[in-house]
Parts: sequence; structure tokens; C-alpha cells
Amino acid sequence: DTEVTQTPKHLVMGMTNKKSLKCEQHMGHRAMYWYKQKAKKPPELMFVYSYEKLSINESVPSRFSPECPNSSLLNLHLHALQPEDSALYLCASSQAQGLVYGYTFGSGTRLTVV
Amino acid sequence: SQQGEEDPQALSIQEGENATMNCSYKTSINNLQWYRQNSGRGLVHLILIRSNEREKHSGRLRVTLDTSKKSSSLLITASRAADTASYFCATDAGYNTDKLIFGTGTRLQVFP
Repeated sequence: DTEVTQTPKHLVMGMTNKKSLKCEQHMGHRAMYWYKQKAKKPPELMFVYSYEKLSINESVPSRFSPECPNSSLLNLHLHALQPEDSALYLCASSQAQGLVYGYTFGSGTRLTVV
Repeated sequence: SQQGEEDPQALSIQEGENATMNCSYKTSINNLQWYRQNSGRGLVHLILIRSNEREKHSGRLRVTLDTSKKSSSLLITASRAADTASYFCATDAGYNTDKLIFGTGTRLQVFP
């Protein structure tokens, strides 16, 4: 299995909702990442997990809460989002943290906050 | 923060022509990577070039790296309509950081 699987593919949520994005990989990769991408912009790093521990938080608002239950799973919990949080959320993994390996990306969750 | 600027922002060519995209970055790097993204979906890793390498090939792709000019180029030879996508360079945010930062991207359109 050489894929990163993200669910759901699309999500519409209200500003008072709580929802979660899920990311799964079975390649034995030990680093996992969340990126946010607005239309016609490059992906922006949000969080980095290495060996299931949060190693980088790019000053992301607390309404985004990441979780890494095990080495194959990465979640992003969403609460009280704003319309400007609407974007494509991308999960990625790599063999290890550090930039000697390419990243494998999932196909993303397109989030709309109404 | 943004590390890479890409040029051109958009490029339109006919099938069979070559496409060249350029990336300039600001700080010293360990390596530089190129990714492709189709229609706002996931990114696909194309090639990684290390800071001590000057050129690398993969199929129809050729990447060069000039660390003295802090620039890289991606050449796609004999382009196909299926190459239509956005192409991003990505580097670390500075020496000894573990953040992969993407450039602004080039939108390539290949007409049949």
C-alpha cells in the first residue's frame, strides 16, 4: 500500500459544529503532516508529527486540534471554525521527519464552513 | 512563510513542446523537491535534488539546481495534455529545519 487515504473527501460544516478529518497510511512512515491550501495558493504547513508526537505547530489557532492515535493514523479535529477556514486540507507522510525523503500526499478534504 | 518563488506563474504550450519552470528560494537548503498537483487535489512527488547535486533526470523530467544563485528549474520534455497541472517547488525553510515549504507554483496548460 503506497497511499495516504483522507476522509471525508468533502465536508460542509456550520460554525458551531465539531467535525474531524481523518488521514491513514500503511507505508510504515513515521512522520505525518497537515497542510492547508487555499485556492490558487501553495499548501501551508500546519502541523508535523514525528513518531506520533507533535513536533511542529505553525501557530495554528486552537480551533484546529491535531491528534495522532497511532503511527498509521492522523486526525484533525475542528471546532468553531470560521468561513475563512474553508480550504483544501491535505495530509502527507514521509519515512521520517527531516527533508531527505519526498512526501506522499493524500487527495485532501475540501472543507466548506458556512 | 514562503521560501520559493516560481516563474512563470502560468504557462501554456502545445503538446510535444518543452515546458520550463523556474524556482528561486531565499535561504540555504538541504534539498529541493518538485511536486505536481492536478485540479486542486493531492500533490504528487516528482523528484528530489540534494544541495550537492547539480542535475537530475527522471523520465521526461530534468531538474537543475544552482545553489550559488539559489535557483532551480524543472524541464518537462515532449509535453502531453496529461501534464496539465500546477507544479510546485518545495524546500526546507532554512538550514536544519524540518519544515517543507512550498513555492508559489506554476500552472501549466498543455493543449492537444
